[in-house]
Amino acid sequence: AQSVAQPEDQVNVAEGNPLTVKCTYSVSGNPYLFWYVQYPNRGLQFLLKYITGDNLVKGSYGFEAEFNKSQTSFHLKKPSALVSDSALYFCAVMDTGRRALTFGSGTRLQVQP
Amino acid sequence: GAVVSQHPSRVICKSGTSVKIECRSLDFQATTMFWYRQFPKQSLMLMATSNEGSKATYEQGVEKDKFLINHASLTLSTLTVTSAHPEDSSFYICSAQSGGAQETQYFGPGTRLLVL
Repeated sequence: AQSVAQPEDQVNVAEGNPLTVKCTYSVSGNPYLFWYVQYPNRGLQFLLKYITGDNLVKGSYGFEAEFNKSQTSFHLKKPSALVSDSALYFCAVMDTGRRALTFGSGTRLQVQP
Repeated sequence: GAVVSQHPSRVICKSGTSVKIECRSLDFQATTMFWYRQFPKQSLMLMATSNEGSKATYEQGVEKDKFLINHASLTLSTLTVTSAHPEDSSFYICSAQSGGAQETQYFGPGTRLLVL
């Protein structure tokens, strides 16, 4: 069975500093990996995905993620955090057969002014 | 990105009544739609997968007679919570996907259900 782990419940970073939100995965076969962001009482917004190709994936709002096969990681990064980036971030892996997503537990990002 | 809507955004109902939630893909055709449930401060849990014109596939532990799913067209899926009870209170979120597994799932804004 596939799974995703987000080891940090919360990440705190000062505005303007780089941020990293961690994600590791466990799948059989090639992983399809995703990052979504959720604002309070809202649905999920797609940030980026890795299917194949370059290990560094660029997404929306200046976010990027690095796929590392040897470490089975897909960490989300941004060079300079904004207060408006404060939200709940979910990493997910897709079951390519059912096309359903398995989500991590989520990481709350708090960017302080 | 593609837009997925849900209606209603919030519903309060009495125990024993049924509630229907609609999920629409507004600018693309969704061959597959998914229904998730999210409890407070928790992650999303997949409830079922529906393909247009066929029966939904439910995850283990999800009662198909309680959570009726109808994927009537390539742009509409409905989730009906039948005989709702307070423990059904939750945040229900749908997602829609066009094409194959490499395609992105786009999520609706969610429906908050409160059963009194």
